[in-house]
Amino acid sequence: NAGVTQTPKFQVLKTGQSMTLQCAQDMNHEYMSWYRQDPGMGLRLIHYSVGAGITDQGEVPNGYNVSRSTTEDFPLRLLSAAPSQTSVYFCASSSGLREQYFGPGTRLTVT
Amino acid sequence: AQRVTQPEKLLSVFKGAPVELKCNYSYSGSPELFWYVQYSRQRLQLLLRHISRESIKGFTADLNKGETSFHLKKPFAQEEDSAMYYCALSRGSTLGRLYFGRGTQLTVWP
Repeated sequence: NAGVTQTPKFQVLKTGQSMTLQCAQDMNHEYMSWYRQDPGMGLRLIHYSVGAGITDQGEVPNGYNVSRSTTEDFPLRLLSAAPSQTSVYFCASSSGLREQYFGPGTRLTVT
Repeated sequence: AQRVTQPEKLLSVFKGAPVELKCNYSYSGSPELFWYVQYSRQRLQLLLRHISRESIKGFTADLNKGETSFHLKKPFAQEEDSAMYYCALSRGSTLGRLYFGRGTQLTVWP
């Protein structure tokens, strides 16, 4: 099993550009989440999903969209990138109360 | 509402010394508590969870409901323990969603 995979690993965007961060898992987990990690702020939840077709907002959802058309994939879309979205993004999946498995992260810089 | 507080942003100890990373939480229900660890430039991984009551890499953590704490302890720190440690809380009503503290960067000096 590959576990949780994320692409790309690194990305540089200009302000106003849009892009999609990809996340996939092959563990048949129903729960998937997107976090951003910033120095001194810990991990903050952006959006999460409790199953295909069901998503909900986390603590910092503004500027991001998600959809979950399959169990395996949970892409995160930046609609119009801003410098405040410079961060490391982690995707995670779990089967409920059990352990969350994290992807390797995407390091995004917005100039 | 729920909240996880890690009061120490940075913690330094010498190799062989005991180490304690503090975690306090606020939640009116019965939470499940976790410690996650992130070694330099790696993905987060679960270190331990209170429901398992196990020791991983010499670390233990006891849930103290009276003090609403879940401190992580190790009697003899090793250099390879240097990492970022996150305390996290899960609520039964929102499965699959974790609430994280801000993290403690542990440095173990030789």
